[in-house]
Amino acid sequence: DAGVTQSPTHLIKTRGQQVTLRCSPKSGHDTVSWYQQALGQGPQFIFQYYEEEERQRGNFPDRFSGHQYPNYSSELNVNALLLGDSALYLCASSLARGQRNLNTEAFFGQGTRLTVV
Amino acid sequence: QKEVEQNSGPLSVPEGAIASLNCTYSDQGSQSFFWYRQYSGKSPELIMFIYSNGDKEDGRFTAQLNKASQYVSLLIRDSQPSDSATYLCAVNKGYGGATNKLIFGTGTLLAVQP
Repeated sequence: DAGVTQSPTHLIKTRGQQVTLRCSPKSGHDTVSWYQQALGQGPQFIFQYYEEEERQRGNFPDRFSGHQYPNYSSELNVNALLLGDSALYLCASSLARGQRNLNTEAFFGQGTRLTVV
Repeated sequence: QKEVEQNSGPLSVPEGAIASLNCTYSDQGSQSFFWYRQYSGKSPELIMFIYSNGDKEDGRFTAQLNKASQYVSLLIRDSQPSDSATYLCAVNKGYGGATNKLIFGTGTLLAVQP
């Protein structure tokens, strides 16, 4: 049973460029969330996709966008890269369980280390 | 005030001792809470979740939740050098049919001394 997989594992981009990161959720999961983790900080929620729609969004600019496919895999796109976008980007998958969402668990992929130069 | 606060540490404990990691949160309406372990350069790994007041035990780990005081803690019994990592506390702010908008603290670095 494959866990959450992300690609690529490492990436170096130049300021102003665009990047696409990819995530395949754990088998049986239907919800994908993206997080950004800067060095020495906890992960920060970017947004979440469920049923191919963005459902919740954190405090990130519109340069950050995403997509979810019918097979539940997801992409994170970042336009006009800034030096400050250098971070570990984490994808987490989980299973939606109705309205209360009390004891759902999110599992993380290995992350993509993005360096902007 | 941050939504989730943790002491950044490092917390140093001798091998075999109990390590106690603490976390406070600001939103009284928070329902579920998670502890993740993160080794340097790796992604977070789920240890436990808790949503009812009291204790929840899983092997050497015990999560404790006190909603009245708005704190969550993680106890690690018989600490091993392999437990040395950053421990992240997270609060679930998800709503509706989607799940798990996790708000993380900055993490506590635990160092278990052999």
